[in-house]
Parts: sequence; C-alpha cells; structure tokens
Amino acid sequence: DAMVIQNPRYQVTQFGKPVTLSCSQTLNHNVMYWYQQKSSQAPKLLFHYYDKDFNNEADTPDNFQSRRPNTSFCFLDIRSPGLGDAAMYLCATSRAPTSTDTQYFGPGTRLTVL
Amino acid sequence: DQQVKQNSPSLSVQEGRISILNCDYTNSMFDYFLWYKKYPAEGPTFLISISSIKDKNEDGRFTVFLNKSAKHLSLHIVPSQPGDSAVYFCAASAPRNTPLVFGKGTRLSVIA
Repeated sequence: DAMVIQNPRYQVTQFGKPVTLSCSQTLNHNVMYWYQQKSSQAPKLLFHYYDKDFNNEADTPDNFQSRRPNTSFCFLDIRSPGLGDAAMYLCATSRAPTSTDTQYFGPGTRLTVL
Repeated sequence: DQQVKQNSPSLSVQEGRISILNCDYTNSMFDYFLWYKKYPAEGPTFLISISSIKDKNEDGRFTVFLNKSAKHLSLHIVPSQPGDSAVYFCAASAPRNTPLVFGKGTRLSVIA
C-alpha cells in the first residue's frame, strides 16, 4: 500500500543533543510537510518542500532544519533540542501545495527531550 | 492567537445518534475548510471538505455545514458508529496556497 512512513515512532534525546527524524513516502508526491503538535494543541506547520524548493514558515525557530535528498525522503533536524521541543512531529505529503490537494499524514514521531 | 477554534475538547454520543462537531474561525480570508479524523497511533486522515462557495457538502454519513456569516462550520455524523470514535480536527486555508491552519481537535466517543 502506498503510504507515508515515519521513523522512529518514538525518539528520546537529551537536552542540546542533535536529533534527526525521518519521513519517507511511496506516493510519489511532490510536496512534503513537517508539522509539530504539542500536547492538546493543534498541529502547526514548520515548513514544506515543493520538489526541491524549501518553504519555511515565518515563525519556525532556526533550531529546526530540513533536508530532502530525493522525492521519497525528507528529514527534520533539530540542532539543539530544548525541553519545549518535546512534541509529536507529523510528516505529510500532497501532490501539489494547494489547500484543495489532500494531505496524507504519517503516524508521527513522538519526541521526548530529557 | 487561534484562528481555528474547536471549543469542545471531547464529545460522547450513543451509537445510532447524531454526532455534531463544531468549529469556529476568525480569519475572514479562509475559503476552504476540511475535517480530518485521527485514530490513536495513526496520522490524521482526510474526511471531508467544503469550499466557501457552498454551505453544505455531504459524503455518506458525513455532512459538513458552513455558515460564513457566523464564521462557523460543523460536521454531522449520522448515524454514529463505534468506529467513528476518534479525534476530529477542523482545518482551514486562505487563497494562494497558504498553509492549513488546524484546530486543537475534538475527541468523539461513540458508546455502544
């Protein structure tokens, strides 16, 4: 089945220790998104790639970076995680970056920062 | 400042009855609205959407109503089934490919 896969499902890191979260897709979609969802909060878009073009949201901290080496994979790098970065990180894909194009979400990676 | 608000964190409904989930928004530029459904340990999945040129969209047991003057939309599920128990997110977007803005979600429990 075509799908969006996130690894790992649970990630524990230490305060200040860099961490990378992974997302892959078999849908061959052009757009890949990263969302942050804190407990009992709404998912919040951090950034997205449209093909190789990177689009950062204005209020995304510099601590968060992303890489998309090819169509299938996208990575979220947190350079120096703080306690406030503990959250569920959701990856999503769509064919085009339009609101009418359905976004398909992965199951998420829950990040714990000790 | 929340632009999309789901004021009920949770809702319990008996099987067979109607479930009504509500969503309010503040940005008058929003022109497209969506509902996503999320089961535990899974990502949100698209359920139904509505454009601002319509006031109703129906898909099987699911109907979304949009009241632009009140900046309010609702999702009706009739009849509710235990498998509908999930967290429902309302989302909205403005024109020109602006990002989706999500609400905090409402947890629906359908009791058999």
